[in-house]
Amino acid sequence: DIQMTQSPNSLSASVGDRVTITCRASHPIISLEWYQQKPGKAPKLLIDGISHLRSGVPSRFSGSGSGTDFILTITSLQPEDFATYYCQQSSFYPPTFGHGTRLDIK
Amino acid sequence: QVQLQESGPGLVKPSETLSLTCAVSGYSISSGYSWGWLRQSPGKGLEWIGGIYSGATSYNPSLKNRVAISLDTSANHVYLKMTSVTAADTAVYFCARVPLRVNDFGEGVPGYRFDDWGQGTLVTVSS
Repeated sequence: DIQMTQSPNSLSASVGDRVTITCRASHPIISLEWYQQKPGKAPKLLIDGISHLRSGVPSRFSGSGSGTDFILTITSLQPEDFATYYCQQSSFYPPTFGHGTRLDIK
Repeated sequence: QVQLQESGPGLVKPSETLSLTCAVSGYSISSGYSWGWLRQSPGKGLEWIGGIYSGATSYNPSLKNRVAISLDTSANHVYLKMTSVTAADTAVYFCARVPLRVNDFGEGVPGYRFDDWGQGTLVTVSS
């Protein structure tokens, strides 16, 4: 299976900050998704195909990367952005997820 | 707008069979999407269980021998059965709507991106 490693495991930031979350795959991939999960809720797809923002997702979210290294960037953090973020590779069977990055308010 | 709602027993005894239902509304499950099941536990994180499109299924090899996913198009339901459960199967189980992918033979098969999710249902395996 492709292993997905996220860093950091957790992150504290303030409203208005810019944050980046990285995701590394154990093998080169060509498709990667990012999800946001809030406590007690299901994950929500934010970005697909590495950099494609899903409908309704604010433009302060962006995704980039290629090969094995990928980044989720959130500019100008808003209160509703504090959540856990997961990357997921959809290139190879079986699809696999990172263990998540928890974003807390500082 | 599609809505997915998981249901089933919250408590299952070890060695028994876990059976869950995903009721889909706002979209016909026999239209152009596949359907998947995933689970989330503190120990293993998010894990894909498997998916189904029409008659084609695909399962996580780590669970393959214990899992079956099926459809009831008349009820617009997606089902999950998992046999011989242990405490390690304790998790929140989600169903999801999944875009198709095309395999090497040009056939539509269950994909690996999870566009829409149900709220999840907690299943605890304990005697």
